[in-house]
Amino acid sequence: GAVVSQHPSRVICKSGTSVKIECRSLDFQATTMFWYRQFPKQSLMLMATSNEGSKATYEQGVEKDKFLINHASLTLSTLTVTSAHPEDSSFYICSARPGGYNSPLHFGNGTRLTVT
Amino acid sequence: AQSVSQHNHHVILSEAASLELGCNYSYGGTVNLFWYVQYPGQHLQLLLKYFSGDPLVKGIKGFEAEFIKSKFSFNLRKPSVQWSDTAEYFCAVYGNNRLAFGKGNQVVVIP
Repeated sequence: GAVVSQHPSRVICKSGTSVKIECRSLDFQATTMFWYRQFPKQSLMLMATSNEGSKATYEQGVEKDKFLINHASLTLSTLTVTSAHPEDSSFYICSARPGGYNSPLHFGNGTRLTVT
Repeated sequence: AQSVSQHNHHVILSEAASLELGCNYSYGGTVNLFWYVQYPGQHLQLLLKYFSGDPLVKGIKGFEAEFIKSKFSFNLRKPSVQWSDTAEYFCAVYGNNRLAFGKGNQVVVIP
């Protein structure tokens, strides 16, 4: 079945550095991928919709210059957290559908980011 | 790593019928459990969550879910659905520092 792979699963970085998270659709093409963030004991928050070959659509309140999204191919979207701060520590997860709306939404396993 | 199973991806039922969506997970340790809903054209919203305490959790819009630890299940229920409940429903399990989602149930309620 369709699989979404996310890498790395865990990353620890120092304040001020940048971290890149990859989201790959392994056996299907995804023109659209979604990036979410989860704060402890809270629900997922949609950050942005990643569109292949064009700019991502960011949700209100999400800094596009801080959370850079690149969707350069039909199987890869990347989220780069620039100049990370401890408050950026969170769980980030991506998702994609192999087909139209009627197809299941597949999630990556998520990335635990800790900024020290 | 834990996995989450949701069966019957497509569910079609009539208004006023009862709905039950199954969710089973594989992780044996402490878990936090969630049900999310995605209405057509919208994005994920949290329906309800379980962290501890009463295993019967009540959420928004008349939904409830019951955590049965011995069965590794967290089934979602609604006694009487409405047309507006047409949506996609996702079960998610957080455990061992990982969040895993089921593949979702697409529920269509016929007026």
